[in-house]
Amino acid sequence: RKEVEQDPGPFNVPEGATVAFNCTYSNSASQSFFWYRQDCRKEPKLLMSVYSSGNEDGRFTAQLNRASQYISLLIRDSKLSDSATYLCVVTIYNQGGKLIFGQGTELSVKP
Amino acid sequence: DGGITQSPKYLFRKEGQNVTLSCEQNLNHDAMYWYRQDPGQGLRLIYYSQIVNDFQKGDIAEGYSVSREKKESFPLTVTSAQKNPTAFYLCASRTGQGSAGNTIYFGEGSWLTVV
Repeated sequence: RKEVEQDPGPFNVPEGATVAFNCTYSNSASQSFFWYRQDCRKEPKLLMSVYSSGNEDGRFTAQLNRASQYISLLIRDSKLSDSATYLCVVTIYNQGGKLIFGQGTELSVKP
Repeated sequence: DGGITQSPKYLFRKEGQNVTLSCEQNLNHDAMYWYRQDPGQGLRLIYYSQIVNDFQKGDIAEGYSVSREKKESFPLTVTSAQKNPTAFYLCASRTGQGSAGNTIYFGEGSWLTVV
């Protein structure tokens, strides 16, 4: 089983749709969680950190469920510019700060 | 400006050659990482280092080597033992394991092609 797994994609949605991505992690020692966005042939860029209480940034909402070991990302009112691959990232402190990425979920927002 | 610089951006290698990818950061970060990304795939961890003169293997270390002689630098050597080296290589850094939630910074990546 992979340490971090994401919903398989691609997700094809119309503009204005609400879309949710899930990510599960297997290591209970995981400490920090992030969502990154990656455009084609570019480096990943931080979208948002994920906090235990959940957090929101404009149209984006991130949630963490430690008991079930998953994090989620909700995008409301999708824009064409949201088309990208979304990567879930987990840090594991009992392994020396190891950073583990999910395989990514591709989102394509259509007019 | 502070950041991470990877070079070269594009590199072509003949089979049987070793090549070294450079990664330099001026962010005073303790932790540095190397990832490999294949088309349509996620990032896979090759090596990481939490402190100078120390590094650990990631999930796909075979055929690669690293060094961490200086805090700012974490070069990756792709050796001839790596059977399928053509990929996009990303270097990253962050403050350190003591700071939960701190941001990961990435270089712009290096495209390696075996010809």
